[in-house]
Amino acid sequence: NAGVTQTPKFQVLKTGQSMTLQCAQDMNHEYMSWYRQDPGMGLRLIHYSVGAGITDQGEVPNGYNVSRSTTEDFPLRLLSAAPSQTSVYFCASSYSWGTDTQYFGPGTRLTVL
Amino acid sequence: AQTVTQSQPEMSVQEAETVTLSCTYDTSESDYYLFWYKQPPSRQMILVIRQEAYKQQNATENRFSVNFQKAAKSFSLKISDSQLGDAAMYFCALLSGTYKYIFGTGTRLKVLA
Repeated sequence: NAGVTQTPKFQVLKTGQSMTLQCAQDMNHEYMSWYRQDPGMGLRLIHYSVGAGITDQGEVPNGYNVSRSTTEDFPLRLLSAAPSQTSVYFCASSYSWGTDTQYFGPGTRLTVL
Repeated sequence: AQTVTQSQPEMSVQEAETVTLSCTYDTSESDYYLFWYKQPPSRQMILVIRQEAYKQQNATENRFSVNFQKAAKSFSLKISDSQLGDAAMYFCALLSGTYKYIFGTGTRLKVLA
């Protein structure tokens, strides 16, 4: 198993550009989430999904879109990048709610100029 | 609103000694889970230990144990026989209600040789 994979590892964008952060897992997990990590802020939930076709907003969803057309993939779209979106982004997945371990991807460091 | 508070931004411990990291939380849910995650310099998030709220017995994983005080909404992590490899950021997290993890701001643990 590759676990949770994220691409790219690093990305630099200009203000106003759009892009998609990719996340995939090969563990047949129903639950997937996107977080951002900023210095001194811990991890904050952006969006999450409890299965294919089902997504919902987390704590900081503004400026981001998600979709879940397959169990394996959960891409995060930045519609019009802003410097405030400079952060490290983590994707995570788990088989069920609570009782199973949430596995994290290696993260994507995004800089918006 | 659900919250997680880690009031110790940084802690130090001598190798082979014991250290306790503090975490307090708030939730109105009766069914919830608490977690401690470790983030070494590699940035990878690693689950250290999990506690189900309905279990009175404190969770233990080898050198790691928790002190779960449900009435006080306190969830501290004790690391025994500290090792150099324990140096990392440690995050406390709460999962309750919908699939929304709430993370604390983290405690940086330094292990002194």
